[in-house]
Amino acid sequence: EVQLVESGGGLVQPGGSLRLSCAASGFTFSSYAMSWVRQAPGKGLEWVSTISGIGTTTYYADSVKGRFTISRDNSKTTLYLQMNSLRAEDTAVFYCAKVQNSGGSRPYFDHWGQGTLVTVSS
Amino acid sequence: DIVMTQSPDSLAVSLGERATINCKSSQSVLYSSNNKNSLAWYQQKPGQPPKLLIYWASTRESGVPDRFSGSGSGTDFNLTISSLQAEDVAVYFCQQYYSTPTFGQGTRLEIK
Repeated sequence: EVQLVESGGGLVQPGGSLRLSCAASGFTFSSYAMSWVRQAPGKGLEWVSTISGIGTTTYYADSVKGRFTISRDNSKTTLYLQMNSLRAEDTAVFYCAKVQNSGGSRPYFDHWGQGTLVTVSS
Repeated sequence: DIVMTQSPDSLAVSLGERATINCKSSQSVLYSSNNKNSLAWYQQKPGQPPKLLIYWASTRESGVPDRFSGSGSGTDFNLTISSLQAEDVAVYFCQQYYSTPTFGQGTRLEIK
């Protein structure tokens, strides 16, 4: 059974940093691209970033480019999202999601974690 | 980016009746390499993450009840629930993956 468990969310001041983690199990982690998708409170879904299975290719939404960095450790089957220069509009539940392919292009998301809440406020 | 627009924003249907949600994309999402439409549907129940229902516009994900079906091509797509059950109350989202992934705003489905 695929399991994705996010951690690392919390309250951070504007301009601050946070690192999210997603521990994966139940599938061959390195064979699949992984993504982060966020959902502001009471709002819709916004794709944030994707990384290929072997970690060599990354994709970012324009809204986070230059501020967020996605990475993965296949030996630990863990996905990360380093978030810097956080803004109030980054407040959201961040979901880790498994992509249906290895390369990460044209992704849809076949499994999702329960999410971790990031609140950016002074 | 491709803009995805769902209608209606909310929908109330009686138990056992048909529910249909529409999703329109601002440009075609037909992927020429496989002649398939790069369109997925998700269901999100309160307090839960989204769940994949349909991909390639009409392929049902494993384990999804066959009362859920997807149709459409190009820029116009539908998600249909043939006989609404109480457990289908949720918000439904479409998503295109032809280019940078984008989602529709969501349709809230309730029981009439």
